[in-house]
Amino acid sequence: SQQGEEDPQALSIQEGENATMNCSYKTSINNLQWYRQNSGRGLVHLILIRSNEREKHSGRLRVTLDTSKKSSSLLITASRAADTASYFCATNFLQGGSEKLVFGKGTKLTVNP
Amino acid sequence: KAGVTQTPRYLIKTRGQQVTLSCSPISGHRSVSWYQQTPGQGLQFLFEYFSETQRNKGNFPGRFSGRQFSNSRSEMNVSTLELGDSALYLCASSFWDRSQETQYFGPGTRLLVL
Repeated sequence: SQQGEEDPQALSIQEGENATMNCSYKTSINNLQWYRQNSGRGLVHLILIRSNEREKHSGRLRVTLDTSKKSSSLLITASRAADTASYFCATNFLQGGSEKLVFGKGTKLTVNP
Repeated sequence: KAGVTQTPRYLIKTRGQQVTLSCSPISGHRSVSWYQQTPGQGLQFLFEYFSETQRNKGNFPGRFSGRQFSNSRSEMNVSTLELGDSALYLCASSFWDRSQETQYFGPGTRLLVL
């Protein structure tokens, strides 16, 4: 399937450390999006990176996209306890003439104070 | 602007019953999408509505249906509930295309089927 797969499934770090999450996918994409979800709540959009972009920044977030390796990474610098959440990548691609947006199963990040 | 709202927030039903969930998108947004989230399957796309028309549909049985009203508010209905329908149902809105732009998610409706 086209579903993006996040790696690792779970990550536990100390406050102040950087957290890196990866997303791999299988076919060509139009864009890739990262979302955050606090426990049992709705998702919050973090960043959208288009297939012709290689890197984007937003505050403490840095997203890279390598279309040759079909992978993306999300870096959170100087993590805080409030960053504790699940992080999902979603890939947008064309299939059968229609746009698809498929979410991965997420990386559960725990930031310990 | 007010965010995406979903009602009810929690729901308990029994097998065989039907349920209707409601979603009010952000004012001005015309695209409304529905997702089912379970621990085992993750976040799965149900359908997307735009200007009262279903624009995209995921791989769910016909028991799952939806509609969108002229004010962009949307409802989804699940008939003949099964235990496996227990999940968090999320609604998301965007201005015109969920794939090309930011989606704004509601808090979800947690459905428990007994």
